[in-house]
Amino acid sequence: DTEVTQTPKHLVMGMTNKKSLKCEQHMGHRAMYWYKQKAKKPPELMFVYSYEKLSINESVPSRFSPECPNSSLLNLHLHALQPEDSALYLCASSQDPGGPHNEQFFGPGTRLTVL
Amino acid sequence: AQSVTQPDIHITVSEGASLELRCNYSYGATPYLFWYVQSPGQGLQLLLKYFSGDTLVQGIKGFEAEFKRSQSSFNLRKPSVHWSDAAEYFCAVGGMEYGNKLVFGAGTILRVKS
Repeated sequence: DTEVTQTPKHLVMGMTNKKSLKCEQHMGHRAMYWYKQKAKKPPELMFVYSYEKLSINESVPSRFSPECPNSSLLNLHLHALQPEDSALYLCASSQDPGGPHNEQFFGPGTRLTVL
Repeated sequence: AQSVTQPDIHITVSEGASLELRCNYSYGATPYLFWYVQSPGQGLQLLLKYFSGDTLVQGIKGFEAEFKRSQSSFNLRKPSVHWSDAAEYFCAVGGMEYGNKLVFGAGTILRVKS
């Protein structure tokens, strides 16, 4: 299984809602990532988890809260988002948290719209 | 800090023609270089990667890339483009001192005309 899955595929939420994005991989990878991608822009790194511990937080606003319940799952909890947070949210995983040479496998993304 | 420049925002080629997408990087040490492809609304798929060794790297879907340290470049090539290659292509650079962090270029949108 060389797949990263993400749910939901699409999400529409109001600014007062609380929602969560879910990411799952069963490749035994020990690093997992959240990226944000605005239209016609490259992915921007948000968070990195290494061995289920948060290792990188790219100064992301606290209305985004990541969680790694186990080595296969990664969640992104959303609360009080702004319309400018509307984007494609991509999850990725790689085998070795300490190795920049490891390929990152990407999921298909969650298209988030904040009204 | 590492950075990546993809000078071409859009490229249009005829089906069957050859393709070269440009990528220039800035990084002080040995870079780890990647090319990813993204179809509209989809995730990214790795085409190929370079870490060391042979500077000509073969990837999936008939793509190849050549690492040229003297020019700080890692250009992507394909000898004959297919209509299904139409997508957005991202070059990315990583390095040992930055751990898992990849920096992506702005991307090049490839259009294929029949």
